[in-house]
Amino acid sequence: SQQGEEDPQALSIQEGENATMNCSYKTSINNLQWYRQNSGRGLVHLILIRSNEREKHSGRLRVTLDTSKKSSSLLITASRAADTASYFCATDVRSGGGADGLTFGKGTHLIIQP
Amino acid sequence: GAGVSQSPSNKVTEKGKDVELRCDPISGHTALYWYRQSLGQGLEFLIYFQGNSAPDKSGLPSDRFSAERTGGSVSTLTIQRTQQEDSAVYLCASSLGGGAGYNEQFFGPGTRLTVL
Repeated sequence: SQQGEEDPQALSIQEGENATMNCSYKTSINNLQWYRQNSGRGLVHLILIRSNEREKHSGRLRVTLDTSKKSSSLLITASRAADTASYFCATDVRSGGGADGLTFGKGTHLIIQP
Repeated sequence: GAGVSQSPSNKVTEKGKDVELRCDPISGHTALYWYRQSLGQGLEFLIYFQGNSAPDKSGLPSDRFSAERTGGSVSTLTIQRTQQEDSAVYLCASSLGGGAGYNEQFFGPGTRLTVL
């Protein structure tokens, strides 16, 4: 079953603008991660935010987490053509200490227009 | 290379045949994960290894799917009697430790499987 759901499904903006993607999830989590996937390539980890954190920055990336709303957002500032990719949020699930795989949303396809 | 490698990169097979997919994780990573990415289903978790043991097989879609890992390193995912719905990209990932949510996972480029 789908744990994370990103929105929008697709986003097209001009180079230099900011891009915001949102993710909602259903069950309690230990933390949440964002990944990027370029066409035809594997996934690349962007950032991990723990359940007790509210905001995290990494370069041009800013991630927020609201556990009360079970939602997260990824902001990419000053977008570049190379940011064109699909972006996925991924969550683990609190499972009493068991180690599970990540559950991914269906992703937001971001297109940066030059 | 320092990354996760997978082979083959592409595999075309006929319905009913068995296929074996290979994953070579980053050296020193004890945790290894298999995922499947298909158009209709998105990214699905299949199985997780900590060392050579697989404490979580809950994601395997059917008993036609099996996986093993030997020597705490290379893993193989085997699909027996392939069906057309098995067509997907199979992704392998590894991480330093177990606990999916606590560690960054490093993904391989995937194996694109097409079942005719």
